Amino acid sequence: QVQLMQSGPEVKKPGASVKVSCKASGYPFTIYGLNWVRQAPGQGLEWMGWISPYNGNTNSAQKLQGRVTMTTDTSTSTAYMELRSLKSDDTAVYYCARVNCSSSSCPLDYWGQGTLVTVSS
Amino acid sequence: DIQMTQSPSSVSASVGDRVTITCRASQGISSWLAWYQQKPGKAPKLLISAASSLQSGVPSRFSGSGSGTDFTLTISSLQPEDFATYYCQQSNSFPWTFGQGTKVEIK
Repeated sequence: QVQLMQSGPEVKKPGASVKVSCKASGYPFTIYGLNWVRQAPGQGLEWMGWISPYNGNTNSAQKLQGRVTMTTDTSTSTAYMELRSLKSDDTAVYYCARVNCSSSSCPLDYWGQGTLVTVSS
Repeated sequence: DIQMTQSPSSVSASVGDRVTITCRASQGISSWLAWYQQKPGKAPKLLISAASSLQSGVPSRFSGSGSGTDFTLTISSLQPEDFATYYCQQSNSFPWTFGQGTKVEIK
């Protein structure tokens, strides 16, 4: 069965960096893209970016460009999202999600359990 | 960027009610739209892809329709387990974007 297992909660100080991992299992890792989505406390879902494990191509939200790096390690079927220069409003639950594209849609069909990142001095 | 606007932001309904949520895109997205359900403390769950394609295992009381800029999610007969927040999301062009969410609450 498809599973996305994320790393544990993190507490960081403002200005620090955080790296969240997402280990995939149950499917051929390089065939499907991955998204990163975050959700601040009590808020809606915010799309952060997409990565292709096949070739490493990425696309990220403009507001995060320069601070976010998405990578994959195909040898371990693991995706990583690193966010730098953390601010208090980066406090959120961060999700990875598998992208299952067809000819007319690219839905996020499987999600990780989420990783809480708290940014506080 | 394509803006996704959902309405209403919240709705109070009773078990057995028919509930309709709308999602409007700021520009045409064909059928590149998905709907998700999220319960408190849980990851979102995919309900519908390609605007109207029900995911395997999702009850048939859920349905989606629309194309272009206007889309709807309908729950034909609300069940206790359907009280949750619902999001639409476009994948027509980067950056992919979500609606702000619609919370379905118990009346």
